[in-house]
Amino acid sequence: EIVLTQSPGTLSLSPGERATLSCRASQSVSSSYLAWYQQKPGQAPRLLIYGASSRATGIPDRFSGSGSGTDFTLTISRLEPEDFAVYYCQQYGSSPTWTFGQGTTVEIK
Amino acid sequence: EVQLVESGGGLVKPGGSLRLSCAASGFTFSTYSMNWVRQAPGKGLEWVSSISGDSSYIFYADSMKGRFTFSRDNAKNSLYLQMNSLRAEDTAVYYCARVYWGVHAMDVWGRGTTVTVSS
Repeated sequence: EIVLTQSPGTLSLSPGERATLSCRASQSVSSSYLAWYQQKPGQAPRLLIYGASSRATGIPDRFSGSGSGTDFTLTISRLEPEDFAVYYCQQYGSSPTWTFGQGTTVEIK
Repeated sequence: EVQLVESGGGLVKPGGSLRLSCAASGFTFSTYSMNWVRQAPGKGLEWVSSISGDSSYIFYADSMKGRFTFSRDNAKNSLYLQMNSLRAEDTAVYYCARVYWGVHAMDVWGRGTTVTVSS
Protein backbone atom coordinates (compact mmCIF):
# COMPACT_ATOMS: atom_id res chain seq x y z
CA GLU A 1 0.00 0.00 0.00
CA ILE A 2 1.34 3.38 -1.02
CA VAL A 3 1.50 5.99 1.73
CA LEU A 4 1.45 9.71 0.89
CA THR A 5 3.22 12.03 3.31
CA GLN A 6 2.55 15.75 3.01
CA SER A 7 4.80 18.46 4.37
CA PRO A 8 4.77 20.76 6.10
CA GLY A 9 1.76 20.04 8.28
CA THR A 10 1.04 23.74 8.55
CA LEU A 11 2.29 26.61 6.42
CA SER A 12 1.95 30.12 7.85
CA LEU A 13 2.13 32.75 5.13
CA SER A 14 0.83 36.19 4.26
CA PRO A 15 -1.39 37.08 1.29
CA GLY A 16 0.76 37.67 -1.77
CA GLU A 17 3.42 35.18 -0.71
CA ARG A 18 4.31 31.98 -2.53
CA ALA A 19 3.23 28.64 -1.06
CA THR A 20 5.06 25.40 -1.79
CA LEU A 21 3.43 22.17 -0.60
CA SER A 22 5.08 18.78 -0.82
CA CYS A 23 3.63 15.29 -1.25
CA ARG A 24 5.99 12.34 -1.01
CA ALA A 25 4.95 8.78 -1.88
CA SER A 26 6.37 5.65 -0.26
CA GLN A 27 6.65 4.08 -3.73
CA SER A 28 6.70 5.47 -7.23
CA VAL A 29 3.33 6.83 -8.36
CA SER A 30 2.15 7.30 -11.91
CA SER A 31 2.01 11.02 -12.58
CA SER A 32 -1.24 10.43 -14.44
CA TYR A 33 -2.87 9.44 -11.18
CA LEU A 34 -1.69 12.16 -8.78
CA ALA A 35 -4.19 14.85 -7.82
CA TRP A 36 -4.48 17.80 -5.43
CA TYR A 37 -7.58 19.06 -3.64
CA GLN A 38 -8.45 22.15 -1.61
CA GLN A 39 -10.86 21.98 1.30
CA LYS A 40 -12.26 24.89 3.28
CA PRO A 41 -14.00 24.48 6.66
CA GLY A 42 -17.47 23.00 6.33
CA GLN A 43 -17.08 22.43 2.60
CA ALA A 44 -16.44 19.47 0.35
CA PRO A 45 -13.01 19.07 -1.23
CA ARG A 46 -12.46 20.74 -4.60
CA LEU A 47 -10.27 19.27 -7.30
CA LEU A 48 -7.40 21.61 -8.17
CA ILE A 49 -4.86 19.54 -10.08
CA TYR A 50 -5.03 16.15 -11.81
CA GLY A 51 -2.37 14.20 -13.65
CA ALA A 52 0.19 15.90 -11.37
CA SER A 53 0.19 19.14 -13.37
CA SER A 54 -3.11 19.76 -15.15
CA ARG A 55 -5.44 22.35 -13.67
CA ALA A 56 -9.07 21.36 -13.23
CA THR A 57 -11.81 23.43 -14.82
CA GLY A 58 -12.06 26.92 -13.38
CA ILE A 59 -8.89 26.73 -11.30
CA PRO A 60 -6.82 29.95 -11.43
CA ASP A 61 -3.38 29.76 -12.97
CA ARG A 62 -1.71 30.77 -9.71
CA PHE A 63 -2.11 27.08 -8.81
CA SER A 64 0.41 24.74 -10.40
CA GLY A 65 1.48 21.16 -9.86
CA SER A 66 4.71 19.40 -10.67
CA GLY A 67 6.72 16.32 -9.89
CA SER A 68 7.12 12.69 -10.76
CA GLY A 69 7.99 9.36 -9.23
CA THR A 70 7.76 9.83 -5.47
CA ASP A 71 7.96 13.61 -5.13
CA PHE A 72 5.18 16.00 -6.08
CA THR A 73 4.64 19.69 -5.40
CA LEU A 74 1.68 22.04 -5.38
CA THR A 75 2.65 25.69 -5.76
CA ILE A 76 0.44 28.70 -5.20
CA SER A 77 2.32 31.57 -6.80
CA ARG A 78 0.68 34.44 -4.91
CA LEU A 79 -1.70 33.65 -2.09
CA GLU A 80 -5.11 35.23 -2.25
CA PRO A 81 -7.27 35.49 0.90
CA GLU A 82 -9.51 32.68 -0.38
CA ASP A 83 -6.55 30.28 -0.72
CA PHE A 84 -6.14 29.75 3.01
CA ALA A 85 -7.41 26.21 3.42
CA VAL A 86 -6.34 22.59 3.78
CA TYR A 87 -4.75 20.89 0.78
CA TYR A 88 -4.65 17.15 0.13
CA CYS A 89 -2.74 15.12 -2.39
CA GLN A 90 -4.26 11.87 -3.65
CA GLN A 91 -3.05 8.97 -5.73
CA TYR A 92 -4.87 6.19 -7.54
CA GLY A 93 -3.27 2.79 -7.34
CA SER A 94 -3.72 -0.81 -8.29
CA SER A 95 -6.44 -2.96 -6.63
CA PRO A 96 -7.81 -0.26 -7.21
CA THR A 97 -7.46 2.14 -4.30
CA TRP A 98 -7.48 5.87 -3.78
CA THR A 99 -5.07 7.13 -1.12
CA PHE A 100 -4.90 10.63 0.38
CA GLY A 101 -2.12 12.41 2.16
CA GLN A 102 -2.82 13.71 5.66
CA GLY A 103 -3.17 17.29 4.46
CA THR A 104 -1.31 20.59 4.69
CA THR A 105 -2.99 23.57 6.30
CA VAL A 106 -2.15 26.93 4.75
CA GLU A 107 -2.94 29.55 7.38
CA ILE A 108 -2.69 33.31 7.50
CA LYS A 109 0.45 34.50 9.24
CA GLU B 1 -25.57 22.21 -13.43
CA VAL B 2 -23.60 19.16 -12.41
CA GLN B 3 -24.63 18.24 -8.89
CA LEU B 4 -24.41 15.48 -6.30
CA VAL B 5 -26.63 15.51 -3.21
CA GLU B 6 -26.17 13.03 -0.38
CA SER B 7 -28.81 12.07 2.15
CA GLY B 8 -29.54 9.43 4.76
CA GLY B 9 -27.04 10.30 7.45
CA GLY B 10 -27.96 10.36 11.12
CA LEU B 11 -27.33 8.96 14.57
CA VAL B 12 -27.10 5.18 14.88
CA LYS B 13 -26.04 2.87 17.70
CA PRO B 14 -22.95 0.68 17.44
CA GLY B 15 -23.79 -2.46 15.53
CA GLY B 16 -26.62 -0.74 13.71
CA SER B 17 -27.22 -0.07 10.03
CA LEU B 18 -27.75 2.95 7.83
CA ARG B 19 -28.31 3.49 4.11
CA LEU B 20 -26.88 6.55 2.44
CA SER B 21 -28.09 7.87 -0.90
CA CYS B 22 -26.57 10.20 -3.45
CA ALA B 23 -28.66 11.83 -6.18
CA ALA B 24 -26.83 12.91 -9.31
CA SER B 25 -27.91 15.45 -11.92
CA GLY B 26 -26.54 17.47 -14.81
CA PHE B 27 -24.40 14.78 -16.43
CA THR B 28 -24.68 11.36 -18.07
CA PHE B 29 -24.60 9.44 -14.83
CA SER B 30 -24.29 5.92 -16.22
CA THR B 31 -21.00 6.68 -17.97
CA TYR B 32 -19.11 7.60 -14.81
CA SER B 33 -17.54 5.59 -12.05
CA MET B 34 -18.44 6.98 -8.65
CA ASN B 35 -16.79 6.95 -5.23
CA TRP B 36 -17.68 7.37 -1.60
CA VAL B 37 -15.10 9.20 0.53
CA ARG B 38 -15.42 9.90 4.24
CA GLN B 39 -13.90 12.32 6.71
CA ALA B 40 -13.92 11.72 10.44
CA PRO B 41 -14.28 14.80 12.65
CA GLY B 42 -11.10 16.87 12.47
CA LYS B 43 -9.36 14.27 10.32
CA GLY B 44 -8.33 13.81 6.72
CA LEU B 45 -10.02 12.19 3.74
CA GLU B 46 -10.45 8.42 3.44
CA TRP B 47 -11.62 6.56 0.35
CA VAL B 48 -14.47 4.15 1.13
CA SER B 49 -15.66 2.49 -2.07
CA SER B 50 -15.88 2.76 -5.84
CA ILE B 51 -18.38 1.53 -8.42
CA SER B 52 -18.09 1.46 -12.20
CA GLY B 53 -20.73 2.97 -14.45
CA ASP B 54 -22.45 -0.33 -15.16
CA SER B 55 -21.87 -1.75 -11.63
CA SER B 56 -19.64 -4.48 -13.04
CA TYR B 57 -16.78 -3.42 -10.76
CA ILE B 58 -17.16 -2.55 -7.10
CA PHE B 59 -14.22 -2.04 -4.76
CA TYR B 60 -13.94 -1.32 -1.05
CA ALA B 61 -11.30 -0.13 1.35
CA ASP B 62 -10.16 -3.00 3.55
CA SER B 63 -11.82 -1.68 6.71
CA MET B 64 -15.20 -1.54 4.96
CA LYS B 65 -15.16 -4.92 3.23
CA GLY B 66 -17.95 -7.19 4.36
CA ARG B 67 -19.79 -4.40 6.17
CA PHE B 68 -20.55 -1.84 3.45
CA THR B 69 -22.33 -2.44 0.14
CA PHE B 70 -22.15 0.09 -2.68
CA SER B 71 -24.80 0.02 -5.41
CA ARG B 72 -26.29 2.28 -8.04
CA ASP B 73 -29.50 2.67 -10.02
CA ASN B 74 -28.73 4.34 -13.33
CA ALA B 75 -32.43 4.70 -14.14
CA LYS B 76 -32.78 6.88 -11.05
CA ASN B 77 -29.35 8.56 -11.29
CA SER B 78 -28.69 7.44 -7.75
CA LEU B 79 -26.05 5.79 -5.61
CA TYR B 80 -26.55 3.87 -2.40
CA LEU B 81 -24.20 2.91 0.41
CA GLN B 82 -25.60 0.28 2.76
CA MET B 83 -23.59 0.33 5.98
CA ASN B 84 -23.97 -2.53 8.47
CA SER B 85 -22.24 -3.44 11.74
CA LEU B 86 -21.39 0.21 12.29
CA ARG B 87 -18.64 1.14 14.71
CA ALA B 88 -17.76 4.37 16.50
CA GLU B 89 -14.85 4.81 14.11
CA ASP B 90 -17.30 4.98 11.18
CA THR B 91 -18.45 8.36 12.48
CA ALA B 92 -17.72 10.79 9.66
CA VAL B 93 -19.04 13.00 6.92
CA TYR B 94 -19.64 10.81 3.88
CA TYR B 95 -19.18 12.36 0.45
CA CYS B 96 -20.10 10.93 -2.92
CA ALA B 97 -17.80 11.99 -5.74
CA ARG B 98 -17.59 11.56 -9.50
CA VAL B 99 -14.46 9.93 -10.90
CA TYR B 100 -12.86 11.84 -13.75
CA TRP B 101 -12.34 9.58 -16.76
CA GLY B 102 -8.87 8.20 -17.22
CA VAL B 103 -7.06 10.04 -14.43
CA HIS B 104 -9.06 8.72 -11.47
CA ALA B 105 -9.28 12.07 -9.74
CA MET B 106 -12.60 13.11 -8.22
CA ASP B 107 -13.88 16.17 -10.04
CA VAL B 108 -17.38 16.63 -8.61
CA TRP B 109 -18.29 16.25 -4.94
CA GLY B 110 -21.49 16.43 -2.97
CA ARG B 111 -21.76 18.45 0.23
CA GLY B 112 -21.74 15.31 2.34
CA THR B 113 -23.99 13.66 4.88
CA THR B 114 -23.04 13.12 8.52
CA VAL B 115 -23.07 9.70 10.14
CA THR B 116 -22.67 9.49 13.90
CA VAL B 117 -22.27 6.10 15.56
CA SER B 118 -22.81 6.39 19.28
CA SER B 119 -24.75 4.75 22.06
